[in-house]
Amino acid sequence: GAGVSQSPSNKVTEKGKDVELRCDPISGHTALYWYRQSLGQGLEFLIYFQGNSAPDKSGLPSDRFSAERTGGSVSTLTIQRTQQEDSAVYLCASSLRDWKWSSYNEQFFGPGTRLTVL
Amino acid sequence: AQSVTQPDIHITVSEGASLELRCNYSYGATPYLFWYVQSPGQGLQLLLKYFSGDTLVQGIKGFEAEFKRSQSSFNLRKPSVHWSDAAEYFCAVGTNNNDMRFGAGTRLTVKP
Repeated sequence: GAGVSQSPSNKVTEKGKDVELRCDPISGHTALYWYRQSLGQGLEFLIYFQGNSAPDKSGLPSDRFSAERTGGSVSTLTIQRTQQEDSAVYLCASSLRDWKWSSYNEQFFGPGTRLTVL
Repeated sequence: AQSVTQPDIHITVSEGASLELRCNYSYGATPYLFWYVQSPGQGLQLLLKYFSGDTLVQGIKGFEAEFKRSQSSFNLRKPSVHWSDAAEYFCAVGTNNNDMRFGAGTRLTVKP
């Protein structure tokens, strides 16, 4: 079956513009995660959705960042008034359920969206 | 706060040689530990994980890792490296807050 897909694969925008990044998780996966990978840095957790529960937004770096997940499937990460420091690869991952349960469910990662803010 | 350190930014080994990638973590409770590999243009793929039990875990592609609580380490090993192993490797520690903290990664180059 299809894996996690993300679009666009590359996005170049001007400082101050808004951008939307899309993630299509694996069908049937109830958990969805967004991470940011900056050059020379590890992956930074941004936000986590699990089923119909309220999302864990603790990793969002500022109020310019928001995400939603419609119908428990597709997710959109929105960055408003982009800044140059937002340039990074944004990765999405999905799993069957919360990974930290005793029976671990692997997170499957998409290929990422490379965002460049000029 | 939880953190992961991968001391080696870049490692070069010859094909057929053994490999060890270092990972140290900082976490107050029993950690959930992971190694992921990211090949060029590809998404992250889970190599192996440690939750509990046997401290030596086997993964895919011939990789293994050993959890050493006394050293707060979870080093990744492979006895004989193949050219296709050239990639970026990330160590991660799972927390109780539904997130994973990743290290900065180690880039592996394999010489013919």
